[in-house]
Amino acid sequence: GAVVSQHPSWVICKSGTSVKIECRSLDFQATTMFWYRQFPKQSLMLMATSNEGSKATYEQGVEKDKFLINHASLTLSTLTVTSAHPEDSSFYICSAWTALAKNIQYFGAGTRLSVL
Amino acid sequence: ELKVEQNPLFLSMQEGKNYTIYCNYSTTSDRLYWYRQDPGKSLESLFVLLSNGAVKQEGRLMASLDTKARLSTLHITAAVHDLSATYFCAVDIPPSNTGKLIFGQGTTLQVKP
Repeated sequence: GAVVSQHPSWVICKSGTSVKIECRSLDFQATTMFWYRQFPKQSLMLMATSNEGSKATYEQGVEKDKFLINHASLTLSTLTVTSAHPEDSSFYICSAWTALAKNIQYFGAGTRLSVL
Repeated sequence: ELKVEQNPLFLSMQEGKNYTIYCNYSTTSDRLYWYRQDPGKSLESLFVLLSNGAVKQEGRLMASLDTKARLSTLHITAAVHDLSATYFCAVDIPPSNTGKLIFGQGTTLQVKP
């Protein structure tokens, strides 16, 4: 099956710094990439939809200036958590989807962010 | 309001026993997805159910979909410890064919020897 690489898998940073998370589809061109956030023992919440070459669409309640998304190519999307605070600590998961495989969404391994 | 609700949220069972996880949803989606998540890991796709009456089986897990009742079930047969994980169901957020999903709360399954 398709592989989505997410990097880094774990990051610890100081409050106020910015962190960039990369999501790459390794063997297919993803029409769309999604970014989810998961707090401990909770479900996945969709944060934003990222389409190549266009602005990301954010879900209600997600600050677009806080969570910057760039989708520069059909194989790479990045999520930058700007001026991170402890409440941003969470598990972030990306997924890649293409119209050619509508039924399947491929998930990255996730990034655990801990903000001190 | 879009909702996906799983029941139960936590399930502790003995090896060898059978049990069913239920997933109710409020959208008119014809597709339903089941995923498995191990602690600290991402999601592993288990089943994609594409239409009313769809039934899929893989090993000790069997999933079914009733779109009229907006209900999917994940049945576990003769559970083994390796099945311990959190299971999520998800449906498409309308309009469909965009890839956007809404997830249930997850059911944490603990299988005891």
